Parts: sequence; structure tokens; C-alpha cells
Amino acid sequence: QVQLQESGPGLVNPSGTLSLTCAVSGGSLSSGNWWSWVRQSPGKGLEWIGEIFDSGRSNYNPSLKSRVSISVDKSKNQFSLRLTSVTAADTAVYYCARRPISVFGVGYSHFDSWGQGTLVTVSS
Amino acid sequence: DFVMTQSPESLAVSLGEGATINCKSSQSVFYSSNNKNYLAWYQQKPGQPPKVLIYWASTRESGVPDRFSGSGSGTDFTLTISSLQAEDVAVYYCQQYYTTPFTFGQGTRLEIK
Repeated sequence: QVQLQESGPGLVNPSGTLSLTCAVSGGSLSSGNWWSWVRQSPGKGLEWIGEIFDSGRSNYNPSLKSRVSISVDKSKNQFSLRLTSVTAADTAVYYCARRPISVFGVGYSHFDSWGQGTLVTVSS
Repeated sequence: DFVMTQSPESLAVSLGEGATINCKSSQSVFYSSNNKNYLAWYQQKPGQPPKVLIYWASTRESGVPDRFSGSGSGTDFTLTISSLQAEDVAVYYCQQYYTTPFTFGQGTRLEIK
């Protein structure tokens, strides 16, 4: 049973950079899955930020693409999120999640495992 | 982006009664090549992450009670709880994974009447 755990600062200054890490246990990052970041705020609900495959291939939400990067560290079995130029609108609970490769070879798949989430507040 | 619209926003149901939540996608999430609807339902309880209940619109996740069922195709989908239990109090979300960016409905809050 794979487990995901987010970690990182709970408070970030406006115009600063939000950095979070998701540690994966009970399974390998190199297991043919996509590793995602999803955030949840009262104002915008659940919002998919982006994802990365163990090869390093990534997909990002166009609404955040200019500010987001996701990277993977296979040696530590973890992946990370970096969001630059943050504002109060980026205050949210940030979740990491796993998405298997689609078994049908077309389209995508659902999120089958989630971390507990970590609250990040953007404020001075 | 695909816009997912859920109704109602909140719902109060008596224990043992049925509950129905609707989800409408702005575009079809059906792939004719494999006859699959790329639609999932999640349950979120306070202080917890979302948990998948249903995927491919009607496939129940392992361990999910059979009182939960999903139906629909194309743009219109339904999550049905046949007999509400106290532990079903939660917010329910639909999500399309037909294309990126993946998008979620705004959620339906289910309470006990």
C-alpha cells in the first residue's frame, strides 16, 4: 500500500517561492505511475497543478504553467513542487497524489492515492 | 478547460434513505475507441484527503461499499448512495480525466437530515 507524505514550510511570503516535497513509501517512484500535485482552497475548490512521470516527463495546468515546476528525486523516492511569485490566492491545502498509467493507452486515469495534505499560507 | 458542474450544492438525507448527486461536464468525457467514460467520484471527509469511490464512471474502487454506485455517459453522470449511513457524511466531488488539465466539480455536501 503506497503512502504519500507532504512536507514543507507552512508560511510563505508574498512574491516568494513555495516549495513542497512528497515522500513516497511502500512503493517505488519508478513504478510506472504519474505523480501529481493538487491544491484545495475555499475559493477555487480542488485544482490540479501538474504531474511528473519517473522519466521526468511532466504535464502542467496552463493556468499555473508559467510559475510551476515539478521535479523527481529517485534516489530519495520523492518528488517536489516549486511555485514562484506566490500571492494570497495561492493559499491552500496542497496534496500530492498518484495517478496510474491508463490501462487503455488512450486518455488518462484517476487519482488512486493521496497524501494527507499540507496547508500553505501566503502572508507577510 | 472541461467545466464540471455538480448539483445540488448540498443535500440532507435521512439515515437509510437514498441520495443522488449529479455531475455535468461541459464536454463529453466518453472515448468511443474503448467505450469508457473518463469520470471519477471522490469522497472527502473533514480533515482528510479525497478518496476515490468510483472510476470509469461506474467501477467501484476495491473496498468501497456496494451502496455506492455510479452511472451516466457522455456529459451527464450520477453518484447514488442507496441507503445512507452516518459515515457517509462528507463532500463528494466528480472529476474528469479525459484530458488535461484535469478538473473537478465544486463539490456536494451530504448531511444527515
